[in-house]
Amino acid sequence: QVQLQESGPGLVKPSETLSLTCTVSGGSISSSVYYWGWIRQPPGKGLEWIGSISDSGNTYYNPSVKSRVSISVDTSRNYFSLNLNSVTAADAAVYFCARGRTVRASGVTTYFFDSWGQGTPVTVYS
Amino acid sequence: QSVVTQPPSASGTPGQRVAISCSGSSSNIGNNYVYWYQQFPGMAPKVLIYWNNQRPSGVPDRFSGSKSGTSASLAISGLRSEDEADYYCVAWDDTLSGPVFGGGTKLTVL
Repeated sequence: QVQLQESGPGLVKPSETLSLTCTVSGGSISSSVYYWGWIRQPPGKGLEWIGSISDSGNTYYNPSVKSRVSISVDTSRNYFSLNLNSVTAADAAVYFCARGRTVRASGVTTYFFDSWGQGTPVTVYS
Repeated sequence: QSVVTQPPSASGTPGQRVAISCSGSSSNIGNNYVYWYQQFPGMAPKVLIYWNNQRPSGVPDRFSGSKSGTSASLAISGLRSEDEADYYCVAWDDTLSGPVFGGGTKLTVL
């Protein structure tokens, strides 16, 4: 049973960089079957996909944050990370990391998030 | 504003059948699988339905999913108080090259 756990500062100042890590246990992050993603949820609002990374390091980002975000993976330590720079109050949210199970249909590979971390709240304060 | 839309709220009484709709476009629902997630306050979302209408093990058969064209629906029969939660539909979006979440529907059991 894979488990994911987010960690990182819960408070970030405006214009600074939000950095979070997701540690994966109970399974290897080095599998072509999975992608690894970040999703956020502002207080009282819905879920927003931020971006994902494959085991080989290919990254995919939501255009809404693409200019500010980077996701990396450390297969030797079985974790992946999120960096979001130039944060504003709009970036305050609960941040979830999740495992994306690949689905191949009509020659196209997509994925859906089948296992999630518990989420970590991030507050942007000045 | 999400490109996949859901009603913000739905309600029903115990034992009733409730359906939650999800509307998208040809770049997401129309061309890809739909997934449904259940989320309780303070908790991570959990997969309720995958591949349009498949239930993971452990999910009661009271929950069912369907898809037609660019719309999808989650039906809950025999509504129970413990079904009170937020429900999200998700589909891969070919334009986004990633998953797009519906805005979520808060289900209240009266």
